[in-house]
Formats: sequence, structure tokens, C-alpha cells
Amino acid sequence: RKEVEQDPGPFNVPEGATVAFNCTYSNSASQSFFWYRQDCRKEPKLLMSVYSSGNEDGRFTAQLNRASQYISLLIRDSKLSDSATYLCVVNSKAAGNKLTFGGGTRVLVKP
Amino acid sequence: DGGITQSPKYLFRKEGQNVTLSCEQNLNHDAMYWYRQDPGQGLRLIYYSQIVNDFQKGDIAEGYSVSREKKESFPLTVTSAQKNPTAFYLCASFAQGETGELFFGEGSRLTVL
Repeated sequence: RKEVEQDPGPFNVPEGATVAFNCTYSNSASQSFFWYRQDCRKEPKLLMSVYSSGNEDGRFTAQLNRASQYISLLIRDSKLSDSATYLCVVNSKAAGNKLTFGGGTRVLVKP
Repeated sequence: DGGITQSPKYLFRKEGQNVTLSCEQNLNHDAMYWYRQDPGQGLRLIYYSQIVNDFQKGDIAEGYSVSREKKESFPLTVTSAQKNPTAFYLCASFAQGETGELFFGEGSRLTVL
């Protein structure tokens, strides 16, 4: 089993709709979590950190479920510019800040 | 401006040759990372380093080597032992603290002919 897993998609989303997807992790000692966005052939960029209580940044909401070992990302009112690959990242501080990426979820927003 | 500089951006090599990818940062970050990305895949961790003169193997370290002689520099050598070296290589440094953000370079695309 991979340490961090994501549904690869693609998620085909009508413009204006809501889309949500999860990322599961296997190491229960993982301590911090992040969502990154990657556009084609570019380096990933931080979208948002994921806090225990959940957090929101504009149209984006991230949640953490430690009991079931997953994080989620929800995008409301999808824009064409939201089309990208979304990567989750899990930090294991016990392993010396080992930062492990999921395989990414591709989102395609269509008019 | 502060950031991560990777070089070269594109590199072609013949099979059996070692190649070294450069990664330099001026962000004063202690931690640095090397990842490999294949088409349509996520990033896989090759090596990471938390402090000078220390580094740990990631999930796919075989066929690669690194050094961390200076805080600013974390070069990656792709050796001839790496069976499928053609890939996109990304270097990053880590800002510990509240955001815990990884800062990436623009990447190096290695093609082995």
C-alpha cells in the first residue's frame, strides 16, 4: 500500500459546480498536511495547509479526518482556471520531516 | 530575490553516463529535498536533508546520490545504476513553521538517449 494515495481522476467539472476529492495516508503518526496545485509541466505551488479544525480559503475548503486517515479538498464555484492537478502532501516529522506526495488528482473544469 | 535555482533546465545524456543536477537556495532553509516526476504521476521522494552533512534516503534512492556540504546547495547525481533516469527532477527547500511550505525550483528535465 502506498503511503499517500489519491484518486487520479480526471474529475470533469462543469464551470460553477462544486467538486471534492480525498487523499488517504497510511502513517498514523503523520503530523501535518498540505494541498498543492500543479499546472502542466510546472513546479507545484502551495494551495493551502490543512489544519485539524478544517480551514477555508476563498472557494477552497480543506478538512482533516485523523480517525479515518484522510484529508479532503472541496472547490466551490469552479472556474476554468481551477483546471490543474491537485497534490496532497503528508509530513512525517518523526522521519525527519519526510514530505510524501500523493499521485495527484486531475481536475478539468469545462464551460 | 530569494528562491531555488535548479540547473540545467534541460539535459540530454547518453546511457551509462553519470549526470549531476544542481540545486541552490538562498532562503536560509535547513531542509532540502529531491523529487522525481514521471509523466502523469505524482512526485516521488529521492533524497532529503535536514541539516548540512546529513541526508536520508527517500522512497526511490537507488541509482542516485547526493551531498550536503553547504546549507545552500544540495546537488543530485543520477548514476549509471539508475535504470530509468529519464524524468523531470524537482528540488525543493522546506520552510518549517506555520505554513510548512515547500519552495520548488523550476525543475530539470533529463533525457537519456
